[in-house]
Amino acid sequence: DAGVIQSPRHEVTEMGQEVTLRCKPISGHDYLFWYRQTMMRGLELLIYFNNNVPIDDSGMPEDRFSAKMPNASFSTLKIQPSEPRDSAVYFCASNSPAHGGNTIYFGEGSWLTVV
Amino acid sequence: AQTVTQSQPEMSVQEAETVTLSCTYDTSENNYYLFWYKQPPSRQMILVIRQEAYKQQNATENRFSVNFQKAAKSFSLKISDSQLGDTAMYFCAFREEGSQGNLIFGKGTKLSVKP
Repeated sequence: DAGVIQSPRHEVTEMGQEVTLRCKPISGHDYLFWYRQTMMRGLELLIYFNNNVPIDDSGMPEDRFSAKMPNASFSTLKIQPSEPRDSAVYFCASNSPAHGGNTIYFGEGSWLTVV
Repeated sequence: AQTVTQSQPEMSVQEAETVTLSCTYDTSENNYYLFWYKQPPSRQMILVIRQEAYKQQNATENRFSVNFQKAAKSFSLKISDSQLGDTAMYFCAFREEGSQGNLIFGKGTKLSVKP
């Protein structure tokens, strides 16, 4: 089975530009999570969805960040405008508790550098 | 609030030897799940092992095993016959049962396996 698929794997962008990160969760998983990893703050949850509906976005740092899940197989995390302090690895993850899946599975991450 | 503490920022071990990584957590819940994730230099988050709090038997996955002490709120990871490919960051994580949201991560332990 395919795992969580994220794109792009690496992106370098200039400050002020819009960045869109994409995620395809594991088929059948009804929970989707966006995490950010930095040296200073470690791994932090930004937002998560259940059945395409945002449940908790309290971790989204500010209005420059937005996330959508238009259908069960696709989600985006957008940063507009981007700033150097947004440089981090962004992980998408998914799971399916209803089907006995207590483990959250991660994608390979999108490594963002804002210069 | 739940917290996860990994008290060893860095550890090293000789190839083929055994190493134990420590993790403690704080919760008032009785039912929860604990995980160890491995993050190699590629940055991918890989599940190593998981433990359900209601199970008394310690989880084992090949060379990886845990020592789960519920009363002490301790969840250590033992790696036997260490291999060079085990070199990575290791994160301990906690999730409440019924809370389909956040995984709470520790700060991680950087493990180096030396030839």
